[in-house]
Amino acid sequence: ETGVTQTPRHLVMGMTNKKSLKCEQHLGHNAMYWYKQSAKKPLELMFVYNFKEQTENNSVPSRFSPECPNSSHLFLHLHTLQPEDSALYLCASSPQLSNQPQHFGDGTRLSIL
Amino acid sequence: AQKITQTQPGMFVQEKEAVTLDCTYDTSDPSYGLFWYKQPSSGEMIFLIYQGSYDQQNATEGRYSLNFQKARKSANLVISASQLGDSAMYFCAMRDNQGGKLIFGQGTELSVKP
Repeated sequence: ETGVTQTPRHLVMGMTNKKSLKCEQHLGHNAMYWYKQSAKKPLELMFVYNFKEQTENNSVPSRFSPECPNSSHLFLHLHTLQPEDSALYLCASSPQLSNQPQHFGDGTRLSIL
Repeated sequence: AQKITQTQPGMFVQEKEAVTLDCTYDTSDPSYGLFWYKQPSSGEMIFLIYQGSYDQQNATEGRYSLNFQKARKSANLVISASQLGDSAMYFCAMRDNQGGKLIFGQGTELSVKP
């Protein structure tokens, strides 16, 4: 079983839809992250959670709403997205907010029609 | 502000040969960590190797080694004996020891030729 699992792997939605991305980690980590990867651009950090508390919001538009009910699960709720939001969304986790490698999921490839 | 620069958008290497992927960084923090990740076409980010700013020796993990030159602020990844499965995007990243965010470079697309 992979350490960090993301569902769905692919998602196509209209601009008026509401959907959620799910991330689950089985590594016993306490920190979880959402990243956005647009084509030909480096990964951009969106949100950081540590022990279920949000510690960083990297100026992300409010149409992206994260939720972390416990240290093992992280959600990204999506509503009224724009075409430029089409990207690969990657979830990651690490033992703590420190200089330890982050372990990534396979990502959700999101397309906005 | 912290910054990571990868100047090689694409690289080609012959199978079984070694290849070096360049990474330079900029930070005013004395304590930081440097990471390399591999991203195959399927999308997942795979952690390869880590180098701490105070580590005296260059990090090695199997066929991967990190050529860390602190004074030049470079952290190049060396892949020895390239394999076809090494074809992927490679990202260099940096993080400060205060738990700051991971900053990624633009990536280098490596193609291994048979």
